Order: sequence, then structure tokens, then C-alpha cells
Amino acid sequence: ETGVTQSPTHLIKTRGQQVTLRCSSQSGHNTVSWYQQALGQGPQFIFQYYREEENGRGNFPPRFSGLQFPNYSSELNVNALELDDSALYLCASSPGTSQETQYFGPGTRLLVL
Amino acid sequence: GDSVTQMEGPVTLSEEAFLTINCTYTATGYPSLFWYVQYPGEGLQLLLKATKADDKGSNKGFEATYRKETTSFHLEKGSVQVSDSAVYFCALRSNNAGNMLTFGGGTRLMVKP
Repeated sequence: ETGVTQSPTHLIKTRGQQVTLRCSSQSGHNTVSWYQQALGQGPQFIFQYYREEENGRGNFPPRFSGLQFPNYSSELNVNALELDDSALYLCASSPGTSQETQYFGPGTRLLVL
Repeated sequence: GDSVTQMEGPVTLSEEAFLTINCTYTATGYPSLFWYVQYPGEGLQLLLKATKADDKGSNKGFEATYRKETTSFHLEKGSVQVSDSAVYFCALRSNNAGNMLTFGGGTRLMVKP
């Protein structure tokens, strides 16, 4: 059974650019959640995708958007990057949307210069 | 809204010492409570969980008891090892929040030989 994988592992962008991060969910999991973890802080929920639809969103602006594909993999897109977007972006998958244990990927570390 | 407060680190202990990391929470209803661990350069791993009051979660020698009366979920281990050095995150999931996790700020544990 393959765990949650994310790509790329590291990324450097400049302010104003756009970035796409990718996540492959664990086998059998149809729900993907994205979290932002700033340096020295706990992860913060961005949004969740279930069966290709957004199913809950945290306190993040619309320039943070996502997609989920029929194979349940997911993308996180961030437009008009700001310096404060520098963080570790974590993807977590689960077999359902409610009361299920989430399993996290290793994360993508984004640096915005 | 929901929130989780953890003791600030770093916590530095000698090998075989007793560990306690405090965690208190604010939430409506009866949330599920979790401890996640993050080893250097890795994503989050679920360490243990408890889903109702007085439940005790345990794994790898770590344990935590869900205390509704004190809204706490303190992490304990009787004898830490150097390999336990990591950042520990307390988290909750409210019944009305689907799969969204709310994390504390994390506590770094450093165990010296």
C-alpha cells in the first residue's frame, strides 16, 4: 500500500508568480486535505476535496485554489505569491470526509523571494 | 472558534527521563483529540488519538488521556529515547468540522544521550 506522496519536495518562486503543488492520496482514500505550516508553527487547514469537489475551506484567500482528479490525486494552486506564502505545504488523505484519521505526506517546502 | 494550546518548547531531557507535554483545548461539543509527531525533514505522523472523554490513546510508549473536565490531552512517556527527538503537535477535530484538524503550535523535544 502506497502512502501519501507530494511533489515537488522543494520549490523556490518569486513574489507575484504562480505555483502548483501536487499530491497523490493513499490507495483507497477519496478525500484530500491541504494544510499550510509556516516555520515554527502548527499546520493550518486550507481546504478539503472530496470526489472532485471542494468540501470545506479554512481562512485562506481565493488565490489559494485546488483541484481533485478522478483518481483522487489533488493539486494546490497559489496565484500572486506573497512572501508570507513561504511555508511547508502538507497534503493529507483519508477514506472519508468525516471523523476519519488523516495520513499526511512529507510536504512541499515553498520559498517565496 | 476551536483552538489548541501547547506548552512552548524546546523541551530538553536526558535519555530515560519522564516526559510530559501539556495540551489544552477549546471546542464546542465533544471533539476527537490527536497527537501527531514530526521528525526532522518529514511530514506529520499520527502518534495516538482519543475520541471520547476518559479514553486513553497509546502508542510506542506514549500515552494521553482525554480529560473533558480540564479540557486537556497531555502527552506522557515514562522513559524517552534519543530517537524520540521531534516536534509534537496536539490537534482536535470538532464533530461539526468534518475532517478539518485544528493544531497547536507544536512542542520541540530534544533528548540528549
